[in-house]
Amino acid sequence: GAGVSQSPRYKVTKRGQDVTLRCDPISSHATLYWYQQALGQGPEFLTYFNYEAQPDKSGLPSDRFSAERPEGSISTLTIQRTEQRDSAMYRCASSSTGNSYNEQFFGPGTRLTVL
Amino acid sequence: SQQGEEDPQALSIQEGENATMNCSYKTSINNLQWYRQNSGRGLVHLILIRSNEREKHSGRLRVTLDTSKKSSSLLITASRAADTASYFCATDGRHSNSGYALNFGKGTSLLVTP
Repeated sequence: GAGVSQSPRYKVTKRGQDVTLRCDPISSHATLYWYQQALGQGPEFLTYFNYEAQPDKSGLPSDRFSAERPEGSISTLTIQRTEQRDSAMYRCASSSTGNSYNEQFFGPGTRLTVL
Repeated sequence: SQQGEEDPQALSIQEGENATMNCSYKTSINNLQWYRQNSGRGLVHLILIRSNEREKHSGRLRVTLDTSKKSSSLLITASRAADTASYFCATDGRHSNSGYALNFGKGTSLLVTP
């Protein structure tokens, strides 16, 4: 595709509900990243995929958070039993390879509000 | 945890003036990147500077990197109202052959008034 897309753009949910966020990376990109950005802060790393493999999920804040990329393209981030502190912008990025000299291209983000 | 730290936190200038933002970081890096975030929009990549580079230019942007001081600066020359945004520096961390995490600072909020 032309760029990284994410859906939904906005999600409001009640505490205790599960939510699933979707990321569609640039089609040729091997590596996909998820970040969480609280208001007034910079993004913080959650996890990344290289194709369908998930080498690093050390940034996931709790076991309520999980991510998948089963076919090495589209990815989903699921938050179970949401809590108010999960309210944030969730950003997805992709890069052509995992080499750190390749820039990461970010999507528009999903704004999650947990009531 | 956020490794980078931008300075100042907020900057207000008039159109035509230059804007300088600084970034300090803590650990060794392969590269440092600057991103811009407009209100309500995504993060846009501005420039990447490698650890063996000292200065890089892109249009009205000039980035410097001093690895001995673990610091970088972003200069925007002849600023425009459209440059109003938050600017983040990001360093590569936890890198392997298959991917790397970007460590962002808290950002500098730039306001350019006509």
